[in-house]
Amino acid sequence: AAGVIQSPRHLIKEKRETATLKCYPIPRHDTVYWYQQGPGQDPQFLISFYEKMQSDKGSIPDRFSAQQFSDYHSELNMSSLELGDSALYFCASSLETETEAFFGQGTRLTVV
Amino acid sequence: AQKVTQAQTEISVVEKEDVTLDCVYETRDTTYYLFWYKQPPSGELVFLIRRNSFDEQNEISGRYSWNFQKSTSSFNFTITASQVVDSAVYFCALSGNSGGGADGLTFGKGTHLIIQP
Repeated sequence: AAGVIQSPRHLIKEKRETATLKCYPIPRHDTVYWYQQGPGQDPQFLISFYEKMQSDKGSIPDRFSAQQFSDYHSELNMSSLELGDSALYFCASSLETETEAFFGQGTRLTVV
Repeated sequence: AQKVTQAQTEISVVEKEDVTLDCVYETRDTTYYLFWYKQPPSGELVFLIRRNSFDEQNEISGRYSWNFQKSTSSFNFTITASQVVDSAVYFCALSGNSGGGADGLTFGKGTHLIIQP
């Protein structure tokens, strides 16, 4: 069965650079979530989209923005990267807003 | 505000032992969802179970079972006859219902389960 696809899987950036993470949800899923998991930490909810509209907002820094496109894929844009942004970034998708969310394998971002 | 507490930071047992992972939650929502996810060393988050607040029936799936007790705000997870492959970090998570929005999950800090051969 198709799963959530995230790209790239690994990314190394320097401080103050920008990064774009992509997420392709499971086919027919209309809801996308983004999470950030620091080393040894629990995942922290950043933002979600339902039918291409922002639905819920968590602890997403102002330097980050995200959107969901007409084909339901989503992109997380991160600017002015800081060392503390180094983390595993997960995307999850679900069908509608009240079903279980399935996670992608994550993008490991390292800021040097 | 929502909160999930997993008091056990790390548990180590010998293979074939039964082990229970505790989860206590706090929420003001009358409708909410509880989840368990497994995160093996490879890093992905594997969905295990979702339970809504109106369904207090316990569930069993193979060696896994879940005990939801609304009266104590707990959603505990038991692995019977543990195996080395069960070694992972297990997260309990909570999602509220803000009226149709795609609410994000609030995760506990996780329990690192080590199954020794």
